[in-house]
Amino acid sequence: AQKITQTQPGMFVQEKEAVTLDCTYDTSDQSYGLFWYKQPSSGEMIFLIYQGSYDEQNATEGRYSLNFQKARKSANLVISASQLGDSAMYFCAMRTNTGNQFYFGTGTSLTVIP
Amino acid sequence: GAVVSQHPSWVICKSGTSVKIECRSLDFQATTMFWYRQFPKQSLMLMATSNEGSKATYEQGVEKDKFLINHASLTLSTLTVTSAHPEDSSFYICSARDVNSYEQYFGPGTRLTVT
Repeated sequence: AQKITQTQPGMFVQEKEAVTLDCTYDTSDQSYGLFWYKQPSSGEMIFLIYQGSYDEQNATEGRYSLNFQKARKSANLVISASQLGDSAMYFCAMRTNTGNQFYFGTGTSLTVIP
Repeated sequence: GAVVSQHPSWVICKSGTSVKIECRSLDFQATTMFWYRQFPKQSLMLMATSNEGSKATYEQGVEKDKFLINHASLTLSTLTVTSAHPEDSSFYICSARDVNSYEQYFGPGTRLTVT
């Protein structure tokens, strides 16, 4: 069975500072993908970043980077230079190559303080 | 980029009635679509996997007679909530898997309120 754990229900960060959102996962599959999505109050799921299980380098997308530690089964999201528009729910998700559906964590609510 | 639409974006219906939600892939074909449900302040939970031309696969605990799924074409899947009750009020999100790239894209979601 696949499991995603996000232990931070809520986080606060000062504008322009960096913040790390934690995510750990559990799977017996060897091939899988890890995703982070942002969900603002409108509800849409906005794709942020992807890391494949065989990727040796950490993924980066603009102000987003993924700190992938495979041995520890963690895939933390780092947001640099936080902006007020970053305030939203953030979900870590995993997709295996066998099932193809997403497994989501419980989410972290991020609030950026001016 | 690939776009998935959902219609309606929000709907209010009376208890006991049925409501249909559409999920369309606008610029790609999708043999597989997924339906998720999200209650307020909770995570997305997979309800069912919709396969074009065949019966949907439902997750444990999801009533297939209540949540009817039809995937009649490569660009459209529908979810019908039959005999809706207030506890069915939720945010329903679909995702569609591109038949060529296998990438998945989420729709914007449908907010259902049953009164």
